[in-house]
Amino acid sequence: SQELEQSPQSLIVQEGKNLTINCTSSKTLYGLYWYKQKYGEGLIFLMMLQKGGEEKSHEKITAKLDEKKQQSSLHITASQPSHAGIYLCGAERIQGAQKLVFGQGTRLTINP
Amino acid sequence: EPEVTQTPSHQVTQMGQEVILRCVPISNHLYFYWYRQILGQKVEFLVSFYNNEISEKSEIFDDQFSVERPDGSNFTLKIRSTKLEDSAMYFCASSIADKYLPLHFGNGTRLTVT
Repeated sequence: SQELEQSPQSLIVQEGKNLTINCTSSKTLYGLYWYKQKYGEGLIFLMMLQKGGEEKSHEKITAKLDEKKQQSSLHITASQPSHAGIYLCGAERIQGAQKLVFGQGTRLTINP
Repeated sequence: EPEVTQTPSHQVTQMGQEVILRCVPISNHLYFYWYRQILGQKVEFLVSFYNNEISEKSEIFDDQFSVERPDGSNFTLKIRSTKLEDSAMYFCASSIADKYLPLHFGNGTRLTVT
């Protein structure tokens, strides 16, 4: 099965610092989705990447999918307390599949 | 912004009882899903639903589970005879099309089976 591994599992950064979260697969990713989850709440869609080398940004968050489509990174610039939460990557298991396989999540804490 | 809504937010039930989890997907979405997350574990796919029938289901989605779209707005997940291991957060999601997801998730129903 296509497993997604995220690293690190948890991250504590000082407010204002930059950070990167990685999502790696042993197989080609046909679609890569980043979500954010606050404790006890639902998943909030952040970004979707589909093409090798694709990069998207929204406010201070940038996500990239590598050329081989096996790794994605999520980068936050000048982190703020509102960025705290659990970041999940999800991927289409097979091309065009309706369901997503998720990584285990990265818990981000922002210290003031 | 339209959102997926789920009720109740928390459900406590005794082992062996039936539960129905309810969801109202985004109104113009055509594909509906249930996922679950056992505490401390990954979010797992349960079932997808399109055109009034199940389009895909996981191994978890056994005969104890069923889904239904009883009217034009609701989408339900029924667990016929709950087990302790069914305790989890259940998320409903919807998408406008099968390609070019994203899924839009609700806030979940926390199911506790005692």
